[in-house]
Amino acid sequence: EIVMTQSPATLSVSPGERATLSCRASQSVSSNLAWYQQKPGQAPRLLIYGASTRATGIPARFSGSGSGTEFTLTISSLQSEDFAVYYCQQYKKWPPLTFGGGTKVEIK
Amino acid sequence: QVQLVQSGAEVKKPGSSVKVSCKASGGTFSNYAISWVRQTPGQGLEWMGGIIPIFDTANYAQKFQGRVTITADESTSAAYMELSSLRSEDTAVYYCVRVGNTSGYYSWYFDLWGRGTLVTVSS
Repeated sequence: EIVMTQSPATLSVSPGERATLSCRASQSVSSNLAWYQQKPGQAPRLLIYGASTRATGIPARFSGSGSGTEFTLTISSLQSEDFAVYYCQQYKKWPPLTFGGGTKVEIK
Repeated sequence: QVQLVQSGAEVKKPGSSVKVSCKASGGTFSNYAISWVRQTPGQGLEWMGGIIPIFDTANYAQKFQGRVTITADESTSAAYMELSSLRSEDTAVYYCVRVGNTSGYYSWYFDLWGRGTLVTVSS
């Protein structure tokens, strides 16, 4: 099973600042990596797939990078609606498909 | 646009089973695969299994093997997840999710999520 590790667990950022979230895979997943955003009381929403392709309707301030075992989600200028929990997920080798433990982005 | 509409919240006794449904509203499951992901209170996301309706083939996470059954009815664009031998640790929100389809190939990220079904297991 591929273990996904996200860091940090919590990220405190001021509105307008850049946020950088990390996701590490226990073995290579090539570019088979997705990012999701989850707000309280809501289902997760797909942000990024293929490590760097934005899903339909996702603003350009969200960008993904990386390949192999190291990945980054960057939010270039945090808006109030971006404070949420973010998860990464690998779909290279399965079953099982696996998620990281999440990074909570909170207001500083 | 397509939405995944899930059945309502359930309260179950330990040892019993639960069956959660998911129906595509405003579209069909054609050419898509469906998975089920659960989220325990205050915890992260856990993939349980998935199915490709047109092939009627399912895959399960080993953790749930033998306890979970995922089925689909392509004619009604509905999918079902049944979990048996329930225990308190199965208390969670269960999400029906649509698997991505990139240029006709299944890519097992999840591009559409249902709103979730809360299953509470309590004596």
